[in-house]
Amino acid sequence: QVQLQQWGAGLLKPSETLSLTCAVYGGSFTGYFWSWIRQSPGKGLEWIGEINHNGITNYNPSFKRRLSISLDSSKNQFSLKLTSATAADTAVYYCARGSVTPGSWGQGVLVTVSS
Amino acid sequence: DIRMTQSPSSLSASVGDRVTIPCRASQDIRNDLAWYQQKPGKAPERLIYSTSTLQSGVPSRFSGSGSGTEFTLTISSLQPEDFATYFCLQHNSYPLTFGGGTKVEIK
Repeated sequence: QVQLQQWGAGLLKPSETLSLTCAVYGGSFTGYFWSWIRQSPGKGLEWIGEINHNGITNYNPSFKRRLSISLDSSKNQFSLKLTSATAADTAVYYCARGSVTPGSWGQGVLVTVSS
Repeated sequence: DIRMTQSPSSLSASVGDRVTIPCRASQDIRNDLAWYQQKPGKAPERLIYSTSTLQSGVPSRFSGSGSGTEFTLTISSLQPEDFATYFCLQHNSYPLTFGGGTKVEIK
């Protein structure tokens, strides 16, 4: 059974870049979309974007100018970078795998943006 | 973006009750809807996708129905482990969008 383990900096200052990585254990990259989703009290669950095994991405337009999702299949990892972070980016961030919708999720990482 | 509305945001029920949780889409999403359960401090877990297809391992007391803009998650006989928050997610068009959630609480 696939397991997703994620990590990254939990505390950022405004304008810094939010950077998270998700490692995939027990599963192949092929045939799935690899997603990032966040959850905050104010905005609930937000789909950020996804990448497939060919490196094709779909981004939420709300983040598009600041967002980059990449894949390193040699390491079985995928990553999220969100530039110019603000307090509004404070949330729990999840990585997930899915073929139709996100089906297997990482444990979540709380990211706080504060001066 | 397609707006997903879940109302009520919370409901109270007792063990053994039949519970229905509605979800409405702002436009036709055919049957491209999933349901998730989330417990405090945990990641959401998918229960159902494509409106009514049960995720492997999910108890059969959970079922989904609907099409177009109106959808329902039904729990036929509420169990103690079912007290949680339930979210719908449309996967008809990008960006994927979630409903605000319905919290099922103990009466």
